[in-house]
Amino acid sequence: EDQVTQSPEALRLQEGESSSLNCSYTVSGLRGLFWYRQDPGKGPEFLFTLYSAGEEKEKERLKATLTKKESFLHITAPKPEDSATYLCAGTLGGQNFVFGPGTRLSVLP
Amino acid sequence: DAGVIQSPRHEVTEMGQEVTLRCKPISGHNSLFWYRQTMMRGLELLIYFNNNVPIDDSGMPEDRFSAKMPNASFSTLKIQPSEPRDSAVYFCATLRTGGNEKLFFGSGTQLSVL
Repeated sequence: EDQVTQSPEALRLQEGESSSLNCSYTVSGLRGLFWYRQDPGKGPEFLFTLYSAGEEKEKERLKATLTKKESFLHITAPKPEDSATYLCAGTLGGQNFVFGPGTRLSVLP
Repeated sequence: DAGVIQSPRHEVTEMGQEVTLRCKPISGHNSLFWYRQTMMRGLELLIYFNNNVPIDDSGMPEDRFSAKMPNASFSTLKIQPSEPRDSAVYFCATLRTGGNEKLFFGSGTQLSVL
């Protein structure tokens, strides 16, 4: 069964304390790996798409990387406004997106 | 572009009542998805359409749920009759394909069935 798991379930950081979120997948023939940010009361907001092992993408304090079995979302010197739930999703192509349960990130000032 | 527009934002109803959720996709996006999000199960795909045609409805929990897309600019998700276990946030999302695929989500409908 295609599955996406994320760890940790929740993460609390001090402002400026860098860390990484993990996304592991067992989606056979993965075509794309997506990262989304979700704020309370809102829909998920697109961050990155990664297509091949070794690929990296960056946006402000966030950097996403992809290996053959997992993806990491690295957060460098986070700020309180980075607090949100981060979701990853895998797709085989077409329109079948499998979402992980998310990591709830809290960045304390 | 206004993005994916969902209505209503909040819906409170009593068990047994019919509930209709609405979605206006982004113009030019030819795939539309309905997701349900709960704390216990996360984001679950209910059904998706491609060019207004339902492609995969295997995620629809039971016959009480139905979805339509009569044209490229409108879709509905209907629950009849509603039950308390249907309480969740329902999201509509549309897909831009070609190159960098991105799912764009609406703000969701918070449904509470009492």
